[in-house]
Amino acid sequence: SAVISQKPSRDICQRGTSLTIQCQVDSQVTMMFWYRQQPGQSLTLIATANQGSEATYESGFVIDKFPISRPNLTFSTLTVSNMSPEDSSIYLCSVEDAGGYTFGSGTRLTVV
Amino acid sequence: QQQVKQSPQSLIVQKGGISIINCAYENTAFDYFPWYQQFPGKGPALLIAIRPDVSEKKEGRFTISFNKSAKQFSLHIMDSQPGDSATYFCAARGGATNKLIFGTGTLLAVQP
Repeated sequence: SAVISQKPSRDICQRGTSLTIQCQVDSQVTMMFWYRQQPGQSLTLIATANQGSEATYESGFVIDKFPISRPNLTFSTLTVSNMSPEDSSIYLCSVEDAGGYTFGSGTRLTVV
Repeated sequence: QQQVKQSPQSLIVQKGGISIINCAYENTAFDYFPWYQQFPGKGPALLIAIRPDVSEKKEGRFTISFNKSAKQFSLHIMDSQPGDSATYFCAARGGATNKLIFGTGTLLAVQP
């Protein structure tokens, strides 16, 4: 399975600011996914990012709030913009590989 | 139709017992059904997965039972151990996309 490095692992941010989360994969993958997991809850898909095309956002998530970049087949970033306390959550990237779907260890974001 | 319903929400099992978690789905286009295990502070890790042309899959102490006609699948953990204490998520993929839809999660506690 692919190995995913996600940074930062955690951060505490002021409301109104933005945070960019990085996801680096040790192999080339076509599809990358960004999820949000609120404390004690399940995973909710934010968007699907394919290299060379615009990310596809799920209902309830918009590009202005969660811009995504996918510059190559091993890297993606998710930005959480103009943050509010309601954005406090764990953000995870995931890739589809030969072994199924692999997840990074997540970014625990607290907005104060 | 995109939902995956998971039960129970929490489960307490004695060491050596059998843990059973159930999931149900509506979308008959789903073609891949994985189970994930998540420990606190970690990303979900793939445990075992099944495709709808198979009724059962076993890997060590973990077994998936799949009932295509009932649109249900379940995870059985045999000889449950305290180290199995974690949150378990079922998921399903399919339709026109490669997106994973997650169940609501089951918090398993195995008592020594």
